Amino acid sequence: AQKVTQAQTEISVVEKEDVTLDCVYETRDTTYYLFWYKQPPSGELVFLIRRNSFDEQNEISGRYSWNFQKSTSSFNFTITASQVVDSAVYFCALGLANAGGTSYGKLTFGQGTILTVHP
Amino acid sequence: NAGVTQTPKFRVLKTGQSMTLLCAQDMNHEYMYWYRQDPGMGLRLIHYSVGEGTTAKGEVPDGYNVSRLKKQNFLLGLESAAPSQTSVYFCASRPMDRKNYGYTFGSGTRLTVV
Repeated sequence: AQKVTQAQTEISVVEKEDVTLDCVYETRDTTYYLFWYKQPPSGELVFLIRRNSFDEQNEISGRYSWNFQKSTSSFNFTITASQVVDSAVYFCALGLANAGGTSYGKLTFGQGTILTVHP
Repeated sequence: NAGVTQTPKFRVLKTGQSMTLLCAQDMNHEYMYWYRQDPGMGLRLIHYSVGEGTTAKGEVPDGYNVSRLKKQNFLLGLESAAPSQTSVYFCASRPMDRKNYGYTFGSGTRLTVV
């Protein structure tokens, strides 16, 4: 069975601080995909990044960066110089490449981390 | 605009009433999913479909039924709504093709059962 754990339920920072959201996952499959989604107060899910299990390169996109480490089954997300607009719930999710068996090709989500950035 | 459209966006039901949530996608995706989101629990899979005419249960299927008569539509039904079904419901779709492995989500339906 797949599992995603986001140990931080809530994080509160002051604007311009850096913040890291942790994500640890469990799967026995060797081919899988990891995702981060942002859910702003308006409620929609905004796709941020997808990473496949064969690509451990870290990625940077503007103020966002992701650190994927298979050795520790972690896919952490860092926001540099946080802004008030970053306030949202962030979800880490795991998707298996195969749709068969019990995975159904579904996404398994973590519980989410509520990030609040104060001005 | 291509994507996943959910209707309605908001609904209030009385206990025991029934309703159907509609999910429509215009990307010709094979796979479609219904999730529910509850505070502190992330999104959990209710039912899913791997193709037209096929549906299957996910993690939390009790109290829900689904149908996929057309490839582009995935309906979620509540036959007798209960307060425990108060939640935000998301529909998602994705192609079968691994090269384009990505999920498209609808904007959600906020359902309150009183």
